[in-house]
Amino acid sequence: RKEVEQDPGPFNVPEGATVAFNCTYSNSASQSFFWYRQDCRKEPKLLMSVYSSGNEDGRFTAQLNRASQYISLLIRDSKLSDSATYLCVVVIQGAQKLVFGQGTRLTINP
Amino acid sequence: DAGITQSPRHKVTETGTPVTLRCHQTENHRYMYWYRQDPGHGLRLIHYSYGVKDTDKGEVSDGYSVSRSKTEDFLLTLESATSSQTSVYFCAISEIQGPYQPQHFGDGTRLSIL
Repeated sequence: RKEVEQDPGPFNVPEGATVAFNCTYSNSASQSFFWYRQDCRKEPKLLMSVYSSGNEDGRFTAQLNRASQYISLLIRDSKLSDSATYLCVVVIQGAQKLVFGQGTRLTINP
Repeated sequence: DAGITQSPRHKVTETGTPVTLRCHQTENHRYMYWYRQDPGHGLRLIHYSYGVKDTDKGEVSDGYSVSRSKTEDFLLTLESATSSQTSVYFCAISEIQGPYQPQHFGDGTRLSIL
């Protein structure tokens, strides 16, 4: 089983829609969590950290469910510019690395 | 954007040749990382550095070596390139090591081994 799993998609949604992704992780010692976005043929860029209480940044909301070992990303009022691949990232306690999911590809259609 | 420059941006070479990729940062961050990204695998850590001349292996280090003689430069070397090392290579940096510290990535190097 992979340490971090994401639905690869692609998700195709109309502009203005709300879309949500989940990401599951297998190691219960996972300590911190991030969402990155990666545009086609570009580098990953930090979108937001995920805190235990959940956090919001504009149209983006991230939540963590430690009991079920998943994190989620919700995008409201989606824009064409939100089209990208979204990478779930987990840091395992005591480890010296980030563990990346394969990414979920999102396309927002006009 | 974080001041990270990777060179070259693209390279095509032949099996068996040595290849060196360079990552240069202007942020004076202590930690530097090399990843490769392949379809179906996501980003995987090759090597990382936690200071000048201090490096350690990641999960896919076989066939790669690194060096860091200055804070700002982290070199990745493929001593004898193989076709399985065709990939997109990303360098990343972070100011401090810790579970809540995200990493910031360079633009990537597309490497093709024929």
